[in-house]
Amino acid sequence: KAGVTQTPRYLIKTRGQQVTLSCSPISGHRSVSWYQQTPGQGLQFLFEYFSETQRNKGNFPGRFSGRQFSNSRSEMNVSTLELGDSALYLCASSTMPGLNTEAFFGQGTRLTVV
Amino acid sequence: SQQGEEDPQALSIQEGENATMNCSYKTSINNLQWYRQNSGRGLVHLILIRSNEREKHSGRLRVTLDTSKKSSSLLITASRAADTASYFCATVPREGAQKLVFGQGTRLTINP
Repeated sequence: KAGVTQTPRYLIKTRGQQVTLSCSPISGHRSVSWYQQTPGQGLQFLFEYFSETQRNKGNFPGRFSGRQFSNSRSEMNVSTLELGDSALYLCASSTMPGLNTEAFFGQGTRLTVV
Repeated sequence: SQQGEEDPQALSIQEGENATMNCSYKTSINNLQWYRQNSGRGLVHLILIRSNEREKHSGRLRVTLDTSKKSSSLLITASRAADTASYFCATVPREGAQKLVFGQGTRLTINP
C-alpha cells in the first residue's frame, strides 16, 4: 500500500508570492491533517479535513487555507508569503477523524521563502 | 502552543544501552502518541496509548502513561545506531479540537 505522498518535496518562493502544496493520503483514508514544523515553534497544527469538510483549524492567519477533494486528496495554500512561513509542511492521513488511531505522515514539503 | 514538554531535549548514549525519554502534558487527554523523525523528514508513528491504559509494548519500545501526573515515558531497550532520531510525544486533547499537540521533542543520538 502506498504511503502518504506530498508534492513538491522542496520549494523556494519569494516574499509576497503564493504557494500550493499537495497531499495524497493512503488509499482508503478520508481524514487529512496538515502541520507546520519550524525550529522555533516546533510542530503546529494547521487544519484537518474529513469528507471534503474542514473539521478543525489551528491558530494561523487567514493566509493559510486548504481544501479536500472528493478523492480525499488535499491541498493547502499560503498567500502573500512571509519569511516566517519557511518551514517543513507535513501532511498526515488516517482512516477516521478524531485521531483515536495512528496518523501516517508524508515526507513533507520544505518551503523556503526568500 | 505546545502542550507536551519533553525531557531531556537531547540524549546521547552508547549502542546497546537503554534510552528513556519523558513527556509531560497539561490538559486531559484522549490518547498520547509517540513519533520518530529522522533528519527533518516525515514522522513515523511508534505507539498510541489510550488514557485508560498504563503501559504498552511494541518490540524494543515500552511506553508508560500516568494520567494522574500527566506524564508519559518512552523506553527504547538495546539501542541501535539506527535509533538515532528525534522523538516526539503528541497528545490528543479530550476537549476541544481533535488534533495532535506535539512536544518539542528529544534528540536521541546512539554512538556506535
